[in-house]
Amino acid sequence: SQQGEEDPQALSIQEGENATMNCSYKTSINNLQWYRQNSGRGLVHLILIRSNEREKHSGRLRVTLDTSKKSSSLLITASRAADTASYFCATDAAGANSKLTFGKGITLSVRP
Amino acid sequence: KAGVTQTPRYLIKTRGQQVTLSCSPISGHRSVSWYQQTPGQGLQFLFEYFSETQRNKGNFPGRFSGRQFSNSRSEMNVSTLELGDSALYLCASSLVQDEKLFFGSGTQLSVL
Repeated sequence: SQQGEEDPQALSIQEGENATMNCSYKTSINNLQWYRQNSGRGLVHLILIRSNEREKHSGRLRVTLDTSKKSSSLLITASRAADTASYFCATDAAGANSKLTFGKGITLSVRP
Repeated sequence: KAGVTQTPRYLIKTRGQQVTLSCSPISGHRSVSWYQQTPGQGLQFLFEYFSETQRNKGNFPGRFSGRQFSNSRSEMNVSTLELGDSALYLCASSLVQDEKLFFGSGTQLSVL
């Protein structure tokens, strides 16, 4: 079953605009990660945020985590056409021998 | 450093056949995970290996099996293929369990 669920399922924006994607999850986590996938290829790790962190930045990416609401958001600022891809959140549930569980992803289209 | 290598890239099989997929992790990575990706179900966790031991298994039938060798290379096998097994099979390695995953480009399996 999916631990993380992304919202919206699809997002279309103009180049230069900001893109905000959300992820909600069900159980307590050790960390939450965001990945990106270009069509038919493997996933690329973007950022990891631990359960005791509230916000992290990496270049044009900003991730927030609200453990009380069991939710996270990924903000891509000043989007580019090259940001067009699918974005996934993945959660590492708290507990021994947990596995990284992925949501179904958000399709982001950035129009030039 | 070479990335995660999956072979073959594409595979076409018929129902009832069996298939073996191969994954070579990044040098020094001892954890290897396998995922099945389909448009309807997203990424579904298959199994995870660490130092030749299966540490976690997803909710797949016994037709799906895997193993890891002493050099950390991993294989997964699917026997008695069904049409529904058509998917992109992704392998990922990591230095530490449940931390950042490095994905291969995947094996696209088509079952006719």
